Amino acid sequence: EDQVTQSPEALRLQEGESSSLNCSYTVSGLRGLFWYRQDPGKGPEFLFTLYSAGEEKEKERLKATLTKKESFLHITAPKPEDSATYLCAVQADSWGKLQFGAGTQVVVTP
Amino acid sequence: NAGVTQTPKFQVLKTGQSMTLQCAQDMNHEYMSWYRQDPGMGLRLIHYSVGAGITDQGEVPNGYNVSRSTTEDFPLRLLSAAPSQTSVYFCASTLRTGEAFFGQGTRLTVV
Repeated sequence: EDQVTQSPEALRLQEGESSSLNCSYTVSGLRGLFWYRQDPGKGPEFLFTLYSAGEEKEKERLKATLTKKESFLHITAPKPEDSATYLCAVQADSWGKLQFGAGTQVVVTP
Repeated sequence: NAGVTQTPKFQVLKTGQSMTLQCAQDMNHEYMSWYRQDPGMGLRLIHYSVGAGITDQGEVPNGYNVSRSTTEDFPLRLLSAAPSQTSVYFCASTLRTGEAFFGQGTRLTVV
C-alpha cells in the first residue's frame, strides 16, 4: 500500500533559523513527487515537482530534494511570510491522483 | 484568469439532505479531482476524472457521486449527507506533467 509520511507535524522557527522538512514515501512506480504550500482557509498552492532521485529544485528560500525513499524541503533563512502548512504528495498510477501526507505546519516568528 | 472556481464557499446541511458542490476550470486541463481535507489527515482523494465522460473512484468515494460531461466542469454530489462528511472539500485540475491547481475550497458542515 502506498504511503506518504511527513515529519515533523509542526515546526516553530525564529526568523533566519534554517531547517528542513521531511517527506518519506513508499510507492510503486513513482511518477512524481510534489510540494505544496497551504495558507489558512486557502487551497494548496503548487511549489515544486521532482521526478527522479537526485533532482533538486529551488525557489527563493525553499529548496526541494529527492532520494529513492524521501524528499526534503529546506527552508533557508526563513521569514514570517514563510509561515504555512507544507504538503508533500506523490503520484503513482495516474496523473489525476495525488496521495498526500498530513503536512508540516511551519510558524516563523520575528 | 480564474483558474479553478468552487461554489459555494460555505454550506450547512441537515443529515439526509443532498447537494452538489460545483467546480469549474478554465485552463483546459484534462484531469480533475475532488479531495476532502480533515484535521490531521491531509487531503484524501474522493473521485477523479481523466477526461470528459471518464471518472473513477479514489480513496474515499462512498457517499459521493461525480460526472464529467464537459472538460470545464466536475461537480461532486452528496447523495444523503452524514455528519462524517463534515469537511473541507477541494477541487483540482491537473496538467499532464502532474502539477495540480486547487480551488479555494468548500467548507461543509452536516448537522
